[in-house]
Amino acid sequence: KAGVTQTPRYLIKTRGQQVTLSCSPISGHRSVSWYQQTPGQGLQFLFEYFSETQRNKGNFPGRFSGRQFSNSRSEMNVSTLELGDSALYLCASSMGQPSGTDTQYFGPGTRLTVL
Amino acid sequence: GNSVTQMEGPVTLSEEAFLTINCTYTATGYPSLFWYVQYPGEGLQLLLKATKADDKGSNKGFEATYRKETTSFHLEKGSVQVSDSAVYFCALSDRTTSGTYKYIFGTGTRLKVLA
Repeated sequence: KAGVTQTPRYLIKTRGQQVTLSCSPISGHRSVSWYQQTPGQGLQFLFEYFSETQRNKGNFPGRFSGRQFSNSRSEMNVSTLELGDSALYLCASSMGQPSGTDTQYFGPGTRLTVL
Repeated sequence: GNSVTQMEGPVTLSEEAFLTINCTYTATGYPSLFWYVQYPGEGLQLLLKATKADDKGSNKGFEATYRKETTSFHLEKGSVQVSDSAVYFCALSDRTTSGTYKYIFGTGTRLKVLA
């Protein structure tokens, strides 16, 4: 079974621009979650999509948005980029079972650098 | 809200040394607890998990026991190898008011094992 894939792997943008990141989950997984990873903050939860609907949301500003398609692929968009948005963005997929015991399968991440 | 606290790293050990990485949590209810590992240049992968009090998760020589009385889930390994060098994340499942779950991660502990 193919793992979680994320594209692109690296991005360099300037302040004020916007960016779209893509995530393809493991086949059969209906839940996709996004995380921001920075050295000082660890992993911060952005949002989760399940069956094309946002099911949970973290404490990030509205500049961060996402969506999920009918094939479970997901995109994350960040508008009006700020220097502090530089981070590794991780996508994780899972079956999405409402039990809290799901294993999340992570992609390798997209490294975003904002200049 | 629920949270996870991990010991700060980096932790540097010689090969075959005993490893303990401390993790404590704050949670209402009875979350599931997880340890994930991130090797250089990769996404996170599940190392082990425990879904109820007194459960012991184990994998690849690593163990952790869900201690409700001390709200802890410390990671241990009897004899580390150079290949265990990675960043280790403790995490818990957080039940939301809508009955779904999101996952809260600690800030990670970097382990370096010297030959």
